[in-house]
Amino acid sequence: GEDVEQSLFLSVREGDSSVINCTYTDSSSTYLYWYKQEPGAGLQLLTYIFSNMDMKQDQRLTVLLNKKDKHLSLRIADTQTGDSAIYFCAENTGGFKTIFGAGTRLFVKA
Amino acid sequence: NAGVTQTPKFRVLKTGQSMTLLCAQDMNHEYMYWYRQDPGMGLRLIHYSVGEGTTAKGEVPDGYNVSRLKKQNFLLGLESAAPSQTSVYFCASSYRGVRETQYFGPGTRLLVL
Repeated sequence: GEDVEQSLFLSVREGDSSVINCTYTDSSSTYLYWYKQEPGAGLQLLTYIFSNMDMKQDQRLTVLLNKKDKHLSLRIADTQTGDSAIYFCAENTGGFKTIFGAGTRLFVKA
Repeated sequence: NAGVTQTPKFRVLKTGQSMTLLCAQDMNHEYMYWYRQDPGMGLRLIHYSVGEGTTAKGEVPDGYNVSRLKKQNFLLGLESAAPSQTSVYFCASSYRGVRETQYFGPGTRLLVL
């Protein structure tokens, strides 16, 4: 069945790189997303990648897609305390169904 | 631009009570969605709307009803609340389909006793 899995917690030191990983099951996924949720707020789209791409870079964010292993990762360079949040991986295969992972809570230590 | 707003922010209900959650967006988006977020789980789609006067069921529609009488508003109703409906509810909107960027409201935290 459809499922998106990600680890629940990640702790890094300020200035280090953070890598948040995600696996998905539907090989027909065409869009894969990373959302950020700060405390008490809704989700905010960070970036997305089409399934025909292997990598996408946007300032401090790098998204890598391994279609063979159905693995998606989000790398945050020079992680700051303001990056502390929950990060959700999500996939869309078409239609109105977007499958969200349970979220990875990133904790940045000063 | 306020974006997507939700009222109320927090509510406590007793089992069997009813309530309506209001979502409003000022971005002239066609598509609107209601999700619920439960601990350790991702967001699950309850209902959605592709335009004024239209609604459709999502992944977990049972126990909920919706209405989209005006383009900018999307209402989620609980006719007879149950403890299993304790959750955080998020509204979202997008210009066209779900592949477009979705803009989320701040959420409504609902506790059903």
